[in-house]
Amino acid sequence: SQQGEEDPQALSIQEGENATMNCSYKTSINNLQWYRQNSGRGLVHLILIRSNEREKHSGRLRVTLDTSKKSSSLLITASRAADTASYFCATAEEANNLFFGTGTRLTVIP
Amino acid sequence: DTGVSQDPRHKITKRGQNVTFRCDPISEHNRLYWYRQTLGQGPEFLTYFQNEAQLEKSRLLSDRFSAERPKGSFSTLEIQRTEQGDSAMYLCASSWSGAEAFFGQGTRLTVV
Repeated sequence: SQQGEEDPQALSIQEGENATMNCSYKTSINNLQWYRQNSGRGLVHLILIRSNEREKHSGRLRVTLDTSKKSSSLLITASRAADTASYFCATAEEANNLFFGTGTRLTVIP
Repeated sequence: DTGVSQDPRHKITKRGQNVTFRCDPISEHNRLYWYRQTLGQGPEFLTYFQNEAQLEKSRLLSDRFSAERPKGSFSTLEIQRTEQGDSAMYLCASSWSGAEAFFGQGTRLTVV
């Protein structure tokens, strides 16, 4: 089953703009992770944020987590055409299983 | 170790046949996950192992699906009596407890 739900389902922006994707989930979590998937390929891990953290940065990525609202956001700054992909959030529950959301399809127009 | 590897990359089978996929995780990882993904959807959880123990299996998984991880190393996923609805990408991932998961490139199954 999929616990997370990303919003929007699709996002199209110009190169150089920022892209923001949101993820909402339903149960208590140990951590939340974001992944990227290029068409027809496997998933690549981007960033992990633990339940006791509120914000995390990695290069052009910024992730926030609000456990009271059961939501997270992924911000990609200064987007590039190579950022075009599907982005998924995944929640690790108490039992440490890993459930994925439905994804946001990002298109960055050169 | 070059990462998680899955074999085969592609499999075409006739409806009713059995198929088996293999996943070789990153060697020091104790957790191994199987997911199924169809076009435009997120990965759907099937099952996961901690070492050789199968800790959870999706309620959506019919009895035609079985997975093993002998000796806590590689894992196999078998689908018996395949149906057209089984056509999907089957993804394997491994991780160390509480850490990020690393995915293989997947096995694309087509049931004709």
